[in-house]
Amino acid sequence: QVQLVQSGAEVKKPGSSVKVSCKPSGGTFINYTIAWVRQAPGQGFEWMGRIITIFGHTSYGQNLQGRLILTADKSTSTVYMELRRLMPEDTGVYYCVTIFRAPSGSFGFDLWGQGTLITVSS
Amino acid sequence: DIQMTQSPSSLSASVGDRVTITCRASETVDIYLNWYQQKPGVAPKLLIFDASSLQNGVPSRFSGSGSGTQFTLTINSLQPEDYATYYCQQTYSPPPWTFGQGTKVEVK
Repeated sequence: QVQLVQSGAEVKKPGSSVKVSCKPSGGTFINYTIAWVRQAPGQGFEWMGRIITIFGHTSYGQNLQGRLILTADKSTSTVYMELRRLMPEDTGVYYCVTIFRAPSGSFGFDLWGQGTLITVSS
Repeated sequence: DIQMTQSPSSLSASVGDRVTITCRASETVDIYLNWYQQKPGVAPKLLIFDASSLQNGVPSRFSGSGSGTQFTLTINSLQPEDYATYYCQQTYSPPPWTFGQGTKVEVK
C-alpha cells in the first residue's frame, strides 16, 4: 500500500525558511491532489494549501498567502512545502495528505504522511 | 470560513460503553462532513466521510449521522484501541476545509 514519507524534523530561527518534502513509497503522485495541514502543539488542524500534482496548480490559505510555496517534482514524484519568514507561532507538526473524492463529490484526506515537526525558536 | 464546534472537548468512558461526540457547523455543510481519529504521536486516520459512510477497514462499531449543521459520531461498545482524539472536518465550502477542535476520549 502506498505510504507518504515526509522529511525529518527541523529547528529554525525566526525569519528563516523551511522546506519539507513528501514522497509516496510504492507509488507515484500522478493524478493526486496533495494538501498540507499543520497542527500546533496541543491544538487542532489548520488548512495550509493544496497542489494538483499533474498540473502544478496551487491554492493557498489566506492566512499563509505570500509565505507558503507548494511545488511538485514529477520526475521524482516529490511534493515540497516551503514556508518563509518563519515565526515562533509556526511551530508545529506539518502533514502532507492525499485528497480523495467520494462518489458523492465530497472530499476527504485518506492518506497522511507521518508528519514533520518544525520548531521555530531563537 | 465555516466554523466547526465539537462537544464535549473531552470525555471519560469505559471499555464497552457507547460514546457519542457532536459536531456543529456555523452554516450548512450538507453531508460533507468527515471524522478522523488521532492517537498520540501518530497521523490521523479517516473513519467516516459523507457524514455516515464508513471508510474501508474501519470497524462497524463506528457510525456517523447528521446533515446540515448537526452531526454525531457514535462508538458502540468502546474498545481499548479507541482511546484517542476525534476530529470532525467539513469539505463543503471551497478550502479552507476546517476542522473541529477535537474531542479526547479518555479512560474512565
